[in-house]
Amino acid sequence: AQKVTQAQTEISVVEKEDVTLDCVYETRDTTYYLFWYKQPPSGELVFLIRRNSFDEQNEISGRYSWNFQKSTSSFNFTITASQVVDSAVYFCALSEARSTKGSRLTFGEGTQLTVNP
Amino acid sequence: EAQVTQNPRYLITVTGKKLTVTCSQNMNHEYMSWYRQDPGLGLRQIYYSMNVEVTDKGDVPEGYKVSRKEKRNFPLILESPSPNQTSLYFCASRFRAGGFEAFFGQGTRLTVV
Repeated sequence: AQKVTQAQTEISVVEKEDVTLDCVYETRDTTYYLFWYKQPPSGELVFLIRRNSFDEQNEISGRYSWNFQKSTSSFNFTITASQVVDSAVYFCALSEARSTKGSRLTFGEGTQLTVNP
Repeated sequence: EAQVTQNPRYLITVTGKKLTVTCSQNMNHEYMSWYRQDPGLGLRQIYYSMNVEVTDKGDVPEGYKVSRKEKRNFPLILESPSPNQTSLYFCASRFRAGGFEAFFGQGTRLTVV
């Protein structure tokens, strides 16, 4: 069965600090996909990134970067020089290619990030 | 504009009064699903549909029904709502299952009293 764990329920930082959001996953499939979503205070869910299990290259997009490590089953998300607008709930999610549940997206519990001015 | 549209955005109802939350997507996506979001539990899948007339239970299907008569629409039906179904609901669509990201509706905040 697939599972995603985000152990950090809440994180509070001061603007310009770097912050890392942890994501640990469990899957028996060799082909799977990992995602990060952002939920700002307005409530909508915004797609940030997708990685497949065969691509362990780290990715950087502006102030955002993602570290995928299969050896530790982790897909961590770092925000560099955080800004108040980064305040949101962040979800990590997993989709297996050959799931008996139609490759559903399984979400972690979410991490509430608060960036204080 | 590509989007997933849910209605209503907010709903307060009484126990036992049947209700339907509508969901429509204009991206010709095959895969649609419903999630509920509860504090500390993340998003949990209620039902999903891999195509027209093909639906199946997710992780928390009890008390819910769905139908997929057309590709674009995937309504969520609560035949007899109970207070434990008070939650934030999201409809999502994906081009297909597997590695495709989900596009989410704006959410429906449901309160059952």
